[in-house]
Amino acid sequence: AQSVAQPEDQVNVAEGNPLTVKCTYSVSGNPYLFWYVQYPNRGLQFLLKYITGDNLVKGSYGFEAEFNKSQTSFHLKKPSALVSDSALYFCAVRDETSYDKVIFGPGTSLSVIP
Amino acid sequence: GAVVSQHPSRVICKSGTSVKIECRSLDFQATTMFWYRQFPKQSLMLMATSNEGSKATYEQGVEKDKFLINHASLTLSTLTVTSAHPEDSSFYICSVPGLELDEQFFGPGTRLTVL
Repeated sequence: AQSVAQPEDQVNVAEGNPLTVKCTYSVSGNPYLFWYVQYPNRGLQFLLKYITGDNLVKGSYGFEAEFNKSQTSFHLKKPSALVSDSALYFCAVRDETSYDKVIFGPGTSLSVIP
Repeated sequence: GAVVSQHPSRVICKSGTSVKIECRSLDFQATTMFWYRQFPKQSLMLMATSNEGSKATYEQGVEKDKFLINHASLTLSTLTVTSAHPEDSSFYICSVPGLELDEQFFGPGTRLTVL
């Protein structure tokens, strides 16, 4: 069975500092990994995904994520945080056998402090 | 990407009543749509997969008779919460798969409050 863990419920970072939101996963086959962002009272927005290829994936709004197979991690990063990045971030995974059926992590609330 | 709408965005109802939530794919046809439920400050839980022209596929633990899903057309799926109770209060979100294998486009969600 596939699962996703986000060990931090809350991440606080000062504006301009680098940010990291952590994610680890468990799948039986090859992982397909995603990051989504949710702003208050709005639907999820896609940030980036890893399927195959380069372990460093670049996505929307300056975010990137690094796939680490040995650590089964897919941490989200941004070099310089903006106040507008404050939102709820979800890591998600599916394995190659579950077409379109994505499992979401519990979410991490990011607060960027001016 | 696809534009997905949900109606209503917010609904308050009395316990025992039924509530219908619509999910529309505005700019392309969708044979499949997904319904999720999200509790406050928690993750999205997949409830069911809505299939155009056939019965929905429900996830384990989701009551089929309580959460009725009808995929009436290639652009519309509805979720009806029957005989709603306060514990059904939640944020309900639908999504539509995109043209690429792993694309999903999410609706803005419907906040249901059952008094």
